[in-house]
Amino acid sequence: AQSVTQLGSHVSVSEGALVLLRCNYSSSVPPYLFWYVQYPNQGLQLLLKYTSAATLVKGINGFEAEFKKSETSFHLTKPSAHMSDAAEYFCAVRDRGSTLGRLYFGRGTQLTVWP
Amino acid sequence: NAGVTQTPKFQVLKTGQSMTLQCAQDMNHEYMSWYRQDPGMGLRLIHYSVGAGITDQGEVPNGYNVSRSTTEDFPLRLLSAAPSQTSVYFCASSILAGDSYEQYFGPGTRLTVT
Repeated sequence: AQSVTQLGSHVSVSEGALVLLRCNYSSSVPPYLFWYVQYPNQGLQLLLKYTSAATLVKGINGFEAEFKKSETSFHLTKPSAHMSDAAEYFCAVRDRGSTLGRLYFGRGTQLTVWP
Repeated sequence: NAGVTQTPKFQVLKTGQSMTLQCAQDMNHEYMSWYRQDPGMGLRLIHYSVGAGITDQGEVPNGYNVSRSTTEDFPLRLLSAAPSQTSVYFCASSILAGDSYEQYFGPGTRLTVT
């Protein structure tokens, strides 16, 4: 089974600073990769996804993520944090060729943005 | 489209009571699933379905039942609630194939078992 590791359960940055949230996956065959965001007391919203095109994926709200096969990573970045970015972020993977549609989630990273 | 809807938003149960969490989607998605979210644990899959009449267990199925009689609805039943089932429950749906696959999530049900 897939496993997804998000390094750092809590990340704190100042407003305007770089945001870097880390995600590593376990499979030898690159899966489909997703980042979701969850604002307080809400459901999960898709930020961006990697399928098989460009390795640098741009998402909503200025976020982007780079797929690196050699590092089995899909880290999420944003050049300049905004207070409204404070939320919990989840990395998820889906096996290529899977007919079951199942997603495997990391444990989440809580992002705090200081003024 | 309403997307994925869940009812109720909040529920308090006593130990031993049973209840059904409702989930519906109007996007004609084949795949539907239930997750529970606990602090520091991420989302854990309870049950999922790849179409009407087809369901299967996820990581943490004990204490929960599901059925899928229609494409639109995927209710989750708690048979005899326990305090360990205090959690936030999310329903999600998606198409089953293709690179554009992504899961759409409902707003969640916050359940407390006393």
